[in-house]
Amino acid sequence: GESVGLHLPTLSVQEGDNSIINCAYSNSASDYFIWYKQESGKGPQFIIDIRSNMDKRQGQRVTVLLNKTVKHLSLQIAATQPGDSAVYFCAERGSQGNLIFGKGTKLSVKP
Amino acid sequence: GAGVSQTPSNKVTEKGKYVELRCDPISGHTALYWYRQSLGQGPEFLIYFQGTGAADDSGLPNDRFFAVRPEGSVSTLKIQRTERGDSAVYLCASNSEPLSGANVLTFGAGSRLTVL
Repeated sequence: GESVGLHLPTLSVQEGDNSIINCAYSNSASDYFIWYKQESGKGPQFIIDIRSNMDKRQGQRVTVLLNKTVKHLSLQIAATQPGDSAVYFCAERGSQGNLIFGKGTKLSVKP
Repeated sequence: GAGVSQTPSNKVTEKGKYVELRCDPISGHTALYWYRQSLGQGPEFLIYFQGTGAADDSGLPNDRFFAVRPEGSVSTLKIQRTERGDSAVYLCASNSEPLSGANVLTFGAGSRLTVL
């Protein structure tokens, strides 16, 4: 079946350090992946996406890496800031076009 | 509007009551999604509309849940005979091109439902 999960439920980093959030997926046929950030009391907010024909994609302070061999996705945040504190979700596109979300990783940034 | 608007932001009801949650998507977005998010979990897909029709309702947990989008814009999620287990945040999202290579859903802030 289709499922998306995360390796670590919580991550605590020092302000200014780089953060790496990992995600495993099970459907090798998935062609599209996306990362969302969710702050308390708000809806998920788009961060970055990647298609399966790519290995890496960079945005502003964020990079997504896709390893299709081991079905692994990661989100790297450079120079983590207090405003990055949130829950991060990876999601993959399901067979019907909807997004299937993982459980989430809570990122805490220590000043 | 500029974003996805959901009302009410909070709803407290008693077990057995009927509830309606409303979603106003981004203007012009043809695709609309409903998700449910329980505490500490990721959003769980419920139903997806393309225009007025439900393209995929496979995520609706049972026949107490129903959603409509009669004019292809605003959508209402309806829950009959609410149960305590229905307590969650109900998220709505919209997208302009659901079948394109990208599938960036824009989410609303959600409607928090508490069933006592």
